[in-house]
Amino acid sequence: EDQVTQSPEALRLQEGESSSLNCSYTVSGLRGLFWYRQDPGKGPEFLFTLYSAGEEKEKERLKATLTKKESFLHITAPKPEDSATYLCAVQALGYNFNKFYFGSGTKLNVKP
Amino acid sequence: DAGVIQSPRHEVTEMGQEVTLRCKPISGHDYLFWYRQTMMRGLELLIYFNNNVPIDDSGMPEDRFSAKMPNASFSTLKIQPSEPRDSAVYFCASSPMAGGGSFIGNEQFFGPGTRLTVL
Repeated sequence: EDQVTQSPEALRLQEGESSSLNCSYTVSGLRGLFWYRQDPGKGPEFLFTLYSAGEEKEKERLKATLTKKESFLHITAPKPEDSATYLCAVQALGYNFNKFYFGSGTKLNVKP
Repeated sequence: DAGVIQSPRHEVTEMGQEVTLRCKPISGHDYLFWYRQTMMRGLELLIYFNNNVPIDDSGMPEDRFSAKMPNASFSTLKIQPSEPRDSAVYFCASSPMAGGGSFIGNEQFFGPGTRLTVL
């Protein structure tokens, strides 16, 4: 069964304390893995797309990496404004069409 | 561009009533998605369209839910009759066609959501 699992569910960091969020997936025919950020009361906002194992993408303090079974979102020296829920999503090849799955998210809280 | 537009932003209704949620995707986007988000189940894909044609509706919970896309600039999600367990935030998202035909490699742009409460 196709599945996307994120860990931890919640993460509290001090400002400047680097850490990583994990997204593990079990899908057949991965076509892309996406990271989104969601602020309270808003829709998810796109961060990165990764297509193949070994790929890395960076944006400011965020760096996303991909292996054959999981993806990591590394946050370097986070700031309070990085506090949000980070969602991982997977696009997989279905029988006739593409399938989309979202993880349950990691709620990040960065304290000043 | 104004982004994906959803209406209403909030809807409170009583059990048994019909609810219609509306979405205007970003102009030029070929794909439109409807999601439901709850604390218990997270973000769930309900249905998505490509060029106004429904592609995957396997996430639609039951026959009470229906979605239409009569043209490239408008879509509706209807719940009839509504039940308290339908209470959630419903998001619409759109995405442009990526290179290579059916491969959807581009990101989805989400609307602000409709918070539905069924009493």
